[in-house]
Amino acid sequence: AQRVTQPEKLLSVFKGAPVELKCNYSYSGSPELFWYVQYSRQRLQLLLRHISRESIKGFTADLNKGETSFHLKKPFAQEEDSAMYYCALSRSNDYKLSFGAGTTVTVRA
Amino acid sequence: DTGVSQDPRHKITKRGQNVTFRCDPISEHNRLYWYRQTLGQGPEFLTYFQNEAQLEKSRLLSDRFSAERPKGSFSTLEIQRTEQGDSAMYLCASSPGGHPTGELFFGEGSRLTVL
Repeated sequence: AQRVTQPEKLLSVFKGAPVELKCNYSYSGSPELFWYVQYSRQRLQLLLRHISRESIKGFTADLNKGETSFHLKKPFAQEEDSAMYYCALSRSNDYKLSFGAGTTVTVRA
Repeated sequence: DTGVSQDPRHKITKRGQNVTFRCDPISEHNRLYWYRQTLGQGPEFLTYFQNEAQLEKSRLLSDRFSAERPKGSFSTLEIQRTEQGDSAMYLCASSPGGHPTGELFFGEGSRLTVL
């Protein structure tokens, strides 16, 4: 069975500092990886997916199959990045997502 | 707001009572999902519909849980004989057809507290 691990429950950084959220997964096939974000008093929403290879709100994430990781990075954190971030995985041609436990990010001024 | 809507947003009930949650997906989305989220955890998959067909159920979904999507539009999730362990946020999400793992659009959730 697939599993997603986010080792950090809480992450606090200063505005303008780099931020990296770790995500490791276990799955023997070819996964699809996602980062979802939940801002205060908002619903859970997609931030980015690995197949798109895009940068959203300054965030990027690279799938490293050798290390089975999909870490989320931003070089210069902003206060509006404060939120809960979830890494998620789906198996090839599957409809459901397996989520990690989430990381709460606080960006301090 | 044309997003996914869930009702009620909050429900407090006594152990042993039945509760029902409703989800209205985005109108053109034919896929609908239910997830459950407990404190400190990420959402856990419960069940999935494509149109009116329930295609998959998690082992988390005991026989006290039943979900329906009778006309392929809104869905209901019923919990019978609630237990304190059922206390959680119940999230509904929908997605359009096409690639299986397209973006999921989540509702704001229905928070259940079982006393």
